[in-house]
Amino acid sequence: EVQLVQSGAEVKKPGESLRISCKGSGYSFTGYWINWVRQMPGKGLEWVGRIHPSDSYTSYSPSFQGHVTFSIDKSISTAYLQWSRLKASDTAMYYCATNVDCTTGLCYDDSWGQGTLVTVSS
Amino acid sequence: EIVMTQSPATLSVSPGERATLSCRASQSVSSNLAWYQQKPGQAPRLLIYGASTRATGIPARFSGSGSGTEFTLTISSLQSEDFGVYYCQQYNKRPPKTFGQGTKVEIK
Repeated sequence: EVQLVQSGAEVKKPGESLRISCKGSGYSFTGYWINWVRQMPGKGLEWVGRIHPSDSYTSYSPSFQGHVTFSIDKSISTAYLQWSRLKASDTAMYYCATNVDCTTGLCYDDSWGQGTLVTVSS
Repeated sequence: EIVMTQSPATLSVSPGERATLSCRASQSVSSNLAWYQQKPGQAPRLLIYGASTRATGIPARFSGSGSGTEFTLTISSLQSEDFGVYYCQQYNKRPPKTFGQGTKVEIK
């Protein structure tokens, strides 16, 4: 069974850095894209971007380019989403998601993590 | 970037009735369209992909149709557990993938 388990909720101050994680299990982690999705409080879903664990090739949505960074640690089957300087507007739930039937192009996502709530407040 | 527009914003339906949700793309996405259901406090759940293929374990009362720029999700006989917010997402060719703003389905 494909599982994505995300790290716990975080409370940070503006300007601080943060890295949240998404650990994959039950499949070949390096074979499939990991996508990141943001959901601001009471709002809809936004695709942040994706990273391929085999070579760390990344693709960012224009709305997030330059503000977040994706990374991978293949040795522990874990993907990361990080910020170097958080803003209050980064307050949101962040999901990771994948599709183990997708090897090329863009795909829908059929396996989701439980989400990590990030709160940025002074 | 392809813009996805969903309508209506909110839909109130009595149990047993049909619910019809719409999704429009700003340019053709072929059949590269998925529907997700999200309940409060939960991650999204895939319902439909390829515009009309039900995901594993999804009841037959959920059906999807359309291609190009116009898509529909139909819940043939609404059950009480079907409340939530429904999102369409296009995944055509090149990033970024984009979601619609969502349709909230309320049980009347």
